[in-house]
Amino acid sequence: QKEVEQNSGPLSVPEGAIASLNCTYSDRVSQSFFWYRQYSGKSPELIMSIYSNGDKEDGRFTAQLNKASQYVSLLIRDSQPSDSATYLCAAENSGYSTLTFGKGTMLLVSP
Amino acid sequence: KAGVTQTPRYLIKTRGQQVTLSCSPISGHRSVSWYQQTPGQGLQFLFEYFSETQRNKGNFPGRFSGRQFSNSRSEMNVSTLELGDSALYLCASIDTAGGTEAFFGQGTRLTVV
Repeated sequence: QKEVEQNSGPLSVPEGAIASLNCTYSDRVSQSFFWYRQYSGKSPELIMSIYSNGDKEDGRFTAQLNKASQYVSLLIRDSQPSDSATYLCAAENSGYSTLTFGKGTMLLVSP
Repeated sequence: KAGVTQTPRYLIKTRGQQVTLSCSPISGHRSVSWYQQTPGQGLQFLFEYFSETQRNKGNFPGRFSGRQFSNSRSEMNVSTLELGDSALYLCASIDTAGGTEAFFGQGTRLTVV
């Protein structure tokens, strides 16, 4: 059973701080990893994808991947109240165009 | 480029009825996946279609079925609805020729009473 594990939170950070979200995955064969943001009542929105070990930066977001540790993280710099949402980590099921999702971490950014 | 379109957005059905949900993927995307999202279980994979063929199937009962048409539009059907089928049903499309990123539609909120 392929699994993606995330701390459910909530993770509370003050405005302007760095939010650090983490997930681990069980399938060593997975090659592609994704972070989605989901606002309450809305559908998931893709914010980052990462395929290689190391860091990938896009604006205020940095995704980090460590395949040896089977660990993926997302850093959000200069957090804003509008970043308050649930963040879903997903791993591609190798060889298939399907994803296994974690249950998400709720992030609360206070003004 | 238009996004993924799901219809209807909201549905209320009675136990025992059946329901059909529709998904139009992003133009040019040939892979369509369906997911069920509930507060307790999170996002769970239902099935994936590519070129009108079901390529992958999740661990759901046979009451859940789907199909894909030649224009890549997909439908999923749930027969003999149960209260536990109440969920947000999400469709995702992937441009399998260009990558693996999945883009979701707005979802269909199904409530079974």
